[in-house]
Amino acid sequence: KAGVTQTPRYLIKTRGQQVTLSCSPISGHRSVSWYQQTPGQGLQFLFEYFSETQRNKGNFPGRFSGRQFSNSRSEMNVSTLELGDSALYLCASSLEANEKLFFGSGTQLSVL
Amino acid sequence: GEDVEQSLFLSVREGDSSVINCTYTDSSSTYLYWYKQEPGAGLQLLTYIFSNMDMKQDQRLTVLLNKKDKHLSLRIADTQTGDSAIYFCAESKGNDMRFGAGTRLTVKP
Repeated sequence: KAGVTQTPRYLIKTRGQQVTLSCSPISGHRSVSWYQQTPGQGLQFLFEYFSETQRNKGNFPGRFSGRQFSNSRSEMNVSTLELGDSALYLCASSLEANEKLFFGSGTQLSVL
Repeated sequence: GEDVEQSLFLSVREGDSSVINCTYTDSSSTYLYWYKQEPGAGLQLLTYIFSNMDMKQDQRLTVLLNKKDKHLSLRIADTQTGDSAIYFCAESKGNDMRFGAGTRLTVKP
């Protein structure tokens, strides 16, 4: 069974641009969660989707958004990038929300 | 407190046992987890324990849970250099999953 796949692996953007990150969950998993990881703040929960519906949201500004498709694949979008958005963005999938999360390798975003 | 707390660093010699400690926040958490993160990688689920258990053993890994003190520990027997990584504990209750800041384990040869 293939694991969680995140693309791209690395991204370099400049301030003010927008970015879209993609996540393909493990086959059969309907819940997809997104986390931001930085050295200073650790793992911060962004949002969780289940069957195309956002069920839970962390404390991030509206510039951070996401969606989930009917095949459970998910995307997250960050608009008007700021330097502080530089981070490793991790996607995790699970059968049910927040139980036994299986993580992808992440997308390393650098904002210059 | 409101945060899942872990010590930040642990250093052991190869072959010794490692014990990583965690204090969690909610006595009604249903599952407690240990994840491992190697450089440049995502988090790998190592093991988990249901809240009505006191101990779980899985090969070199032993998880101990003290619900009264809300304390969780991960013991790694015969620690190897390949065990060097950051270890996160996490608690879940319903739709909420909270992670600690991670403990960086360094294994010296």
